[in-house]
Amino acid sequence: NAGVTQTPKFRVLKTGQSMTLLCAQDMNHEYMYWYRQDPGMGLRLIHYSVGEGTTAKGEVPDGYNVSRLKKQNFLLGLESAAPSQTSVYFCASTPTRNPNYGYTFGSGTRLTVV
Amino acid sequence: SQKIEQNSEALNIQEGKTATLTCNYTNYSPAYLQWYRQDPGRGPVFLLLIRENEKEKRKERLKVTFDTTLKQSLFHITASQPADSATYLCAPVNYGQNFVFGPGTRLSVLP
Repeated sequence: NAGVTQTPKFRVLKTGQSMTLLCAQDMNHEYMYWYRQDPGMGLRLIHYSVGEGTTAKGEVPDGYNVSRLKKQNFLLGLESAAPSQTSVYFCASTPTRNPNYGYTFGSGTRLTVV
Repeated sequence: SQKIEQNSEALNIQEGKTATLTCNYTNYSPAYLQWYRQDPGRGPVFLLLIRENEKEKRKERLKVTFDTTLKQSLFHITASQPADSATYLCAPVNYGQNFVFGPGTRLSVLP
């Protein structure tokens, strides 16, 4: 049981380049989330999905797009990377928005934009 | 907007002592409060949950309190060990809402 898998683990981009981060979960969870984590700022929600085919904006959505074509996958895209998007990105999932269930996080993707 | 604060970015403690981490929140009335552990280079891992009517909850060497009047949760690790060194995040939550996480406290247990 792999849980939440993120690929790639590390990436260096040049300003203006594009890339897609992949998150895959094998727990049949309905809800999936993309966060970024920066020193001193904690986890900030970028986009989230409440089920297959749905997406919604979080706290810091600008410069990012997402898609959830299949229930198990949640993709995060950067169309034109900027240095301000240098961060560690975490994907998380949960079966329900019942707080009795915690989020299951992936191991993260460390992205550097130069 | 809601604000979550956790005591000092880093906390150093001697092995065997009790570590106490604080989570304070404002402009919010959560019915639940979760705590997570995050190791370097890894994602957060859910540790435990306390409900607003529970006041205190224990799990092995962990003890969590929840004071809705003070808008505060305390997270205690008794008989701390170097293996407890990590960053601990709190998340005050309500049913049906996305979770918002505190900035975390980095705990170092010194041998």
